[in-house]
Amino acid sequence: DAKTTQPNSMESNEEEPVHLPCNHSTISGTDYIHWYRQLPSQGPEYVIHGLTSNVNNRMASLAIAEDRKSSTLILHRATLRDAAVYYCILFGNEKLTFGTGTRLTIIP
Amino acid sequence: GAVVSQHPSRVICKSGTSVKIECRSLDFQATTMFWYRQFPKQSLMLMATSNEGSKATYEQGVEKDKFLINHASLTLSTLTVTSAHPEDSSFYICSARALGYQETQYFGPGTRLLVL
Repeated sequence: DAKTTQPNSMESNEEEPVHLPCNHSTISGTDYIHWYRQLPSQGPEYVIHGLTSNVNNRMASLAIAEDRKSSTLILHRATLRDAAVYYCILFGNEKLTFGTGTRLTIIP
Repeated sequence: GAVVSQHPSRVICKSGTSVKIECRSLDFQATTMFWYRQFPKQSLMLMATSNEGSKATYEQGVEKDKFLINHASLTLSTLTVTSAHPEDSSFYICSARALGYQETQYFGPGTRLLVL
């Protein structure tokens, strides 16, 4: 499976936008870009996914670079409940393989 | 959104006993279910993939005789940890992929297993 690279940790102030980057330079043409997040002691929660075009849903937006070698998850207005580990995953080979993710801390 | 439940949410058992964990998709049919394990401060590691009515496919290094997986219906999969030992203590998480929605997986809340 193609790998992703994310910063280990990020901090953001409450009520401000957060941009979580992900690099995936070896992405194949058919790989979807998925984002999940995991709150402490819980199972992962689906956030968003996309293939080529930018995507929006009630939780977040996903901006995908034109060459698809990177993407950015955007939380438009962070709240304390958004503190979690965010995983950027390339969906390939019929299974989701988790990396280490980005631990997002929200500062009140 | 789709809901996946797990039971029990936490279990403590003695070394040598077997523990069964259930995973149910509550409002959708799951063609494929996945079992993950997560140790403290680590990421999720896929253990096995199961399709309804078929034998599970285990990841390299996962003992199929120790971690028995049954996927008897489109809404239920079970993971049995046989002869559990303290090193099996972990957070076990199941996931299900909905029929017709192959790009999205929904995860259960996890089961914390502590083997004494």
